[in-house]
Amino acid sequence: SQQGEEDPQALSIQEGENATMNCSYKTSINNLQWYRQNSGRGLVHLILIRSNEREKHSGRLRVTLDTSKKSSSLLITASRAADTASYFCATATYNNNDMRFGAGTRLTVKP
Amino acid sequence: DTGVSQDPRHKITKRGQNVTFRCDPISEHNRLYWYRQTLGQGPEFLTYFQNEAQLEKSRLLSDRFSAERPKGSFSTLEIQRTEQGDSAMYLCASSFLETQYFGPGTRLLVL
Repeated sequence: SQQGEEDPQALSIQEGENATMNCSYKTSINNLQWYRQNSGRGLVHLILIRSNEREKHSGRLRVTLDTSKKSSSLLITASRAADTASYFCATATYNNNDMRFGAGTRLTVKP
Repeated sequence: DTGVSQDPRHKITKRGQNVTFRCDPISEHNRLYWYRQTLGQGPEFLTYFQNEAQLEKSRLLSDRFSAERPKGSFSTLEIQRTEQGDSAMYLCASSFLETQYFGPGTRLLVL
């Protein structure tokens, strides 16, 4: 069963704008990870944030985690057409043996 | 290329036939995972190996599905008596610590 839910399901923006995607989950987690998937391809790991962290940065990506609200957000700044993809959050419990993915946010960045 | 590889990339089969997929993880990774992804959804966990031991299986993994990792390196996923509902992308991932690295997937179409 899926654990995370991304919001919105789809997002369309112009190149140069910022994109914000949200993820909510249901149970206690050890960490939360964001992945990108281009159409018909495998998933690419973007960033991992642990349950005791509140914010992390990686290049143009900023991830926040609020464990009290069981939610996370992914911000992509200064978006590019190449950022067009589906973005998934995945949560891992303390045994970390399986990750639970949401249904993803489909991001379209128009040139 | 030292990433996760999967073979074949595409498979078309007739209902009732058996199919087998192979996954070669990143060489130093002791953990290997199988996921299934249908159109418009995130990946769903199927099973997990630590070295050669299969430690966890999802309820999604019916008795028609079997996975092996005989020497703790590559893994195979076999589906017996395929059904049209088995049509999906089958993803393999490997990890050493928390981050899972995904292969390109095997897309299965059951006619």
